[in-house]
Amino acid sequence: AQSVTQLGSHVSVSEGALVLLRCNYSSSVPPYLFWYVQYPNQGLQLLLKYTSAATLVKGINGFEAEFKKSETSFHLTKPSAHMSDAAEYFCAVSALEGGGNKLTFGTGTQLKVEL
Amino acid sequence: NAGVMQNPRHLVRRRGQEARLRCSPMKGHSHVYWYRQLPEEGLKFMVYLQKENIIDESGMPKERFSAEFPKEGPSILRIQQVVRGDSAAYFCASSPQGDSNQPQHFGDGTRLSIL
Repeated sequence: AQSVTQLGSHVSVSEGALVLLRCNYSSSVPPYLFWYVQYPNQGLQLLLKYTSAATLVKGINGFEAEFKKSETSFHLTKPSAHMSDAAEYFCAVSALEGGGNKLTFGTGTQLKVEL
Repeated sequence: NAGVMQNPRHLVRRRGQEARLRCSPMKGHSHVYWYRQLPEEGLKFMVYLQKENIIDESGMPKERFSAEFPKEGPSILRIQQVVRGDSAAYFCASSPQGDSNQPQHFGDGTRLSIL
């Protein structure tokens, strides 16, 4: 079975500060990992994905994430926060266990960006 | 823009009524997934379908819930005899193939409210 833990349900940063959203996963097989962003009353938008190529993955809107197998982590970062980054962020894992492509999501981190 | 289309965006039902949620996948996508998001929680997988086939329904409640993806037309998630606990946002996602490394593209969801 696979699972995702997102530490910190709420994170607050100042505009221009570093954004760090934590994600740890558990999977008995090599995982595929995704970060999605959700704006109010909208669906999820893919930020980036890790699919066993480069361990440092660059996504949209200046976000990136690093896959660290030894730490079973896939933390999301952005060097400088912008007001428009305020949203909820979900880490998800997908692995070919039992077939299929279902995603297992973390409980999400609400990012607040302050002036 | 041929994204994932869900309708209705909002649905209000009284206890005991039926709810029908529709999802048209992105053009060229033949794999559909349904997820449920309860307040303050992440998305939980419900069911994975290909055209005319249910591939994985391990996340579906055993009673009152059903899903289909006919040869022609949208995928339908049907909830019979709704109860208060069914109030949630229901998201549909699609992918071109069923591989675990394929990102899923999400619709904006249907917010179901049970009176």
